Amino acid sequence: ELKVEQNPLFLSMQEGKNYTIYCNYSTTSDRLYWYRQDPGKSLESLFVLLSNGAVKQEGRLMASLDTKARLSTLHITAAVHDLSATYFCAVELNTGNQFYFGTGTSLTVIP
Amino acid sequence: ETGVTQTPRHLVMGMTNKKSLKCEQHLGHNAMYWYKQSAKKPLELMFVYNFKEQTENNSVPSRFSPECPNSSHLFLHLHTLQPEDSALYLCASSQDRGRGYTFGSGTRLTVV
Repeated sequence: ELKVEQNPLFLSMQEGKNYTIYCNYSTTSDRLYWYRQDPGKSLESLFVLLSNGAVKQEGRLMASLDTKARLSTLHITAAVHDLSATYFCAVELNTGNQFYFGTGTSLTVIP
Repeated sequence: ETGVTQTPRHLVMGMTNKKSLKCEQHLGHNAMYWYKQSAKKPLELMFVYNFKEQTENNSVPSRFSPECPNSSHLFLHLHTLQPEDSALYLCASSQDRGRGYTFGSGTRLTVV
């Protein structure tokens, strides 16, 4: 059974601080996605990582993928309140186009 | 708007009712999905349709019945639901591998 584990599940951090969210998965895959979800809203695509060593950056967020370690990270730099949301990673199997989501990391940035 | 439209946004139904959720996309995508999002649980894949053909049914109870009349529309028919079925139901669509999903805004379902 494919497992996608994120940690931490809950993260409270001060503005201006840095932190990393981890996403581990249990099967071979070279495609991983990060999504953001605000309360009561849908999922918004943040990053698409399609190969080993892929690194993408957008503003204060940077995502990376290590397919050999089956690990992706989402690094937050100098957090601001607007980043408060739940972040999901999703693994796409190498066969087919189905996604398997992690449990999500609920991030709260406090002044 | 993401290009994937779900209606209704909110639905309250009794356990003996029959209702349907609707999802519509005009992105030209060829695959559509239903996901269930419950509190403190990962998103659960319910159904997958590729080119209108159901290719996945993840052990979903028969009180949930999907219908995909064409590649742009997807329905989820609900009947005799249980309170534990209360959740956010998300529809998504995709085109090719490596492009990710586009999600709708979801239907917040409450079963009373």
